[in-house]
Amino acid sequence: SQQGEEDPQALSIQEGENATMNCSYKTSINNLQWYRQNSGRGLVHLILIRSNEREKHSGRLRVTLDTSKKSSSLLITASRAADTASYFCAPNTNAGKSTFGDGTTLTVKP
Amino acid sequence: DTGVSQDPRHKITKRGQNVTFRCDPISEHNRLYWYRQTLGQGPEFLTYFQNEAQLEKSRLLSDRFSAERPKGSFSTLEIQRTEQGDSAMYLCASSRGGTGVENEQYFGPGTRLTVT
Repeated sequence: SQQGEEDPQALSIQEGENATMNCSYKTSINNLQWYRQNSGRGLVHLILIRSNEREKHSGRLRVTLDTSKKSSSLLITASRAADTASYFCAPNTNAGKSTFGDGTTLTVKP
Repeated sequence: DTGVSQDPRHKITKRGQNVTFRCDPISEHNRLYWYRQTLGQGPEFLTYFQNEAQLEKSRLLSDRFSAERPKGSFSTLEIQRTEQGDSAMYLCASSRGGTGVENEQYFGPGTRLTVT
């Protein structure tokens, strides 16, 4: 299965610190996507990185992809209390459906 | 609002009843996905459509579940003879389809189903 598995399961940091979350998967992919979900809400798409890309930035977000290790990381710099949420990675094959892990729950303390 | 919308947002039903949920995707998106999410877990893929064609169904989707997208626009997900184990958040997402940025999925707010 190409299901993503996020690590750690939970992360608690102080506002202003950086947060790093990791994702591992098992099969070849076309791209990998990261999503955020606030409690009880729908998922918000954060960033998509293609299999031929190694790093991508969007604002305070930096995503890396290492296809040889079948892993990805999401870095949130200068975290804010509003970043408190669950973060999911979703590896994708040609079909385009997303297969999610159970996410990393990030808590940013003010 | 041009995002993905879902209706209803909440549904409480008694065991054994049938329920139907609706999803309206972003208008130019030809792919539509249904997921189910329970507390503390990530969304589980149920099924997806390319226009009106249902291209894949998860093994999670028992015979009691059926989804349609009759005109390639909105979609419905019906659960017959609901069971308490069906209680979950049902999420709909849409995308333009294809690889790369066209594959970005946009999620609706979800329908929370409670079966009593």
